[in-house]
Amino acid sequence: QKEVEQDPGPLSVPEGAIVSLNCTYSNSAFQYFMWYRQYSRKGPELLMYTYSSGNKEDGRFTAQVDKSSKYISLFIRDSQPSDSATYLCAMRTGGFKTIFGAGTRLFVKA
Amino acid sequence: ETGVTQTPRHLVMGMTNKKSLKCEQHLGHNAMYWYKQSAKKPLELMFVYSLEERVENNSVPSRFSPECPNSSHLFLHLHTLQPEDSALYLCASSQRVSPDKGYTFGSGTRLTVV
Repeated sequence: QKEVEQDPGPLSVPEGAIVSLNCTYSNSAFQYFMWYRQYSRKGPELLMYTYSSGNKEDGRFTAQVDKSSKYISLFIRDSQPSDSATYLCAMRTGGFKTIFGAGTRLFVKA
Repeated sequence: ETGVTQTPRHLVMGMTNKKSLKCEQHLGHNAMYWYKQSAKKPLELMFVYSLEERVENNSVPSRFSPECPNSSHLFLHLHTLQPEDSALYLCASSQRVSPDKGYTFGSGTRLTVV
């Protein structure tokens, strides 16, 4: 079983839709949870960073962590064509090794 | 320049060649990393440097040889690679090895081994 599972997609939605991206994980020791966005021909860029359980909101983006279910989500409200990218979840324990999901490819159609 | 800069952006090399990838960060970070990104696979951590000392070598074949001459520069020396080594190689940096704010990545070097 992979430590982090992420549906590769692609996920295609119309402009303005609410997007839900998810990851599940198996290691209950993970404490730090991240979402990265990667545009084509670019490196990943950090979008959201959360510690432990709960929600965090930043503009149109909301990150949610449910440690009891070992499940994290990223919601994008009022999605735009510029949100079209690959979204990578990532997580780590208190140590330095970060484990990444394989990424979900998102297309937002105008 | 700001952020993390990687050169070259693209590299095609034969299996007998020797080449080097370069990474430079202008963020004053103390930790630098090499990651390998293959299609539809998670990022694979290759090497971690903290204050120019290697702290992690993630079972990487010896045909990949990292070098960190100072906290701003990181190299990945390549020799006698295999076609399955073709991938996007990403350099990243962070304030420290257990970063509170995640990593800053470069745009990567797209490597093709022929």
